[in-house]
Amino acid sequence: SQTIHQWPATLVQPVGSPLSLECTVEGTSNPNLYWYRQAAGRGLQLLFYSVGIGQISSEVPQNLSASRPQDRQFILSSKKLLLSDSGFYLCAWGQGNQETQYFGPGTRLLVL
Amino acid sequence: TQLLEQSPQFLSIQEGENLTVYCNSSSVFSSLQWYRQEPGEGPVLLVTVVTGGEVKKLKRLTFQFGDARKDSSLHITAAQPGDTGLYLCAVMTTDSWGKLQFGAGTQVVVTP
Repeated sequence: SQTIHQWPATLVQPVGSPLSLECTVEGTSNPNLYWYRQAAGRGLQLLFYSVGIGQISSEVPQNLSASRPQDRQFILSSKKLLLSDSGFYLCAWGQGNQETQYFGPGTRLLVL
Repeated sequence: TQLLEQSPQFLSIQEGENLTVYCNSSSVFSSLQWYRQEPGEGPVLLVTVVTGGEVKKLKRLTFQFGDARKDSSLHITAAQPGDTGLYLCAVMTTDSWGKLQFGAGTQVVVTP
């Protein structure tokens, strides 16, 4: 069966510090991978998606970047965090153009 | 503008009551998904509806896709505290790659 992992679960970082969030998927190959951000109790905003190694598409201009160094690894990064980067970050995977996505447990980021 | 409008934004009911939440749009969709998200976790797919007028049941949850495939509703019968969560509807974007666009969600709280 497929599983998706995210870490860390919670992170508190000062403004201006770097960020690296990691997402890994097990039990599938060549998945589409997605990074979302969610404001408290609200819907999900798609930040990045990737259809293969090294292929990253950005959905919204922002202070963040994404990378996919391996087939089942997706990393969300920032060189200098802003207060507005605080939120709940969710990684998800899907297959091809199938509509179902499977979400990880999320990382709660607080920038102070 | 938000492609999917969910209402109400927040709903608080007593255990045993019924509730309905809505997902509306002016666009026509080939399918629509409902997810439930519990606090601190990622969303989990409940159902996908694909046919206009379709009704799907998942235990005490009834999902309906509008005849014109522009809207959907989720009805919960005899709600229980375990039904508490954020209910999100989502549709695939027109540029495929399995990208989803989510509504802002309805936060449901069921108190004992």
